[in-house]
Amino acid sequence: DAGVIQSPRHEVTEMGQEVTLRCKPISGHDYLFWYRQTMMRGLELLIYFNNNVPIDDSGMPEDRFSAKMPNASFSTLKIQPSEPRDSAVYFCASSFWGGANEQFFGPGTRLTVL
Amino acid sequence: GENVEQHPSTLSVQEGDSAVIKCTYSDSASNYFPWYKQELGKGPQLIIDIRSNVGEKKDQRIAVTLNKTAKHFSLHITETQPEDSAVYFCAASKGEKLTFGTGTRLTIIP
Repeated sequence: DAGVIQSPRHEVTEMGQEVTLRCKPISGHDYLFWYRQTMMRGLELLIYFNNNVPIDDSGMPEDRFSAKMPNASFSTLKIQPSEPRDSAVYFCASSFWGGANEQFFGPGTRLTVL
Repeated sequence: GENVEQHPSTLSVQEGDSAVIKCTYSDSASNYFPWYKQELGKGPQLIIDIRSNVGEKKDQRIAVTLNKTAKHFSLHITETQPEDSAVYFCAASKGEKLTFGTGTRLTIIP
């Protein structure tokens, strides 16, 4: 298996633009997690899905952030409009129930908002 | 909710020496404690984990200990090597959701 795949790996955009980050989880995994990593706040859980259904979005910072999982092999995290304080590395991770809770992380998307 | 504290934030050790990283957690219901290693430009990767029904677990040069009464757990790396240089994160959970510590940057000095 190729592992969790994220795209793009790097994104540079200007304030006010829409940003869409993409994730393909490991086949067969039924949980998908979106994290944000910054120096100041560390690794923060934004939202997670179980069987494509959002379970907990309490970590989503504000209404500018939204996430979807239209099927078991694809998820998006969208920021609209983007702001400089959204600059961070965004990770997607997946796991499967019965897999001892282990979460497998993707390589991340480094987002820079100018 | 769960709160995980991790110390130290940075650690430098001579190659061949041991390194210890410590974490405490707040929710006594937490029952799963993984450790992740993050190398530069990559996502975190699980290196070892322990469940609340076990006090210690070893895997070659790495070991984790858990004290449920005190609500703390530790990562021990023996015979450190240059490739051990990375950021290490502890985490705690009682379900599918992990709460991470703030990370320890470990540097191995040749």
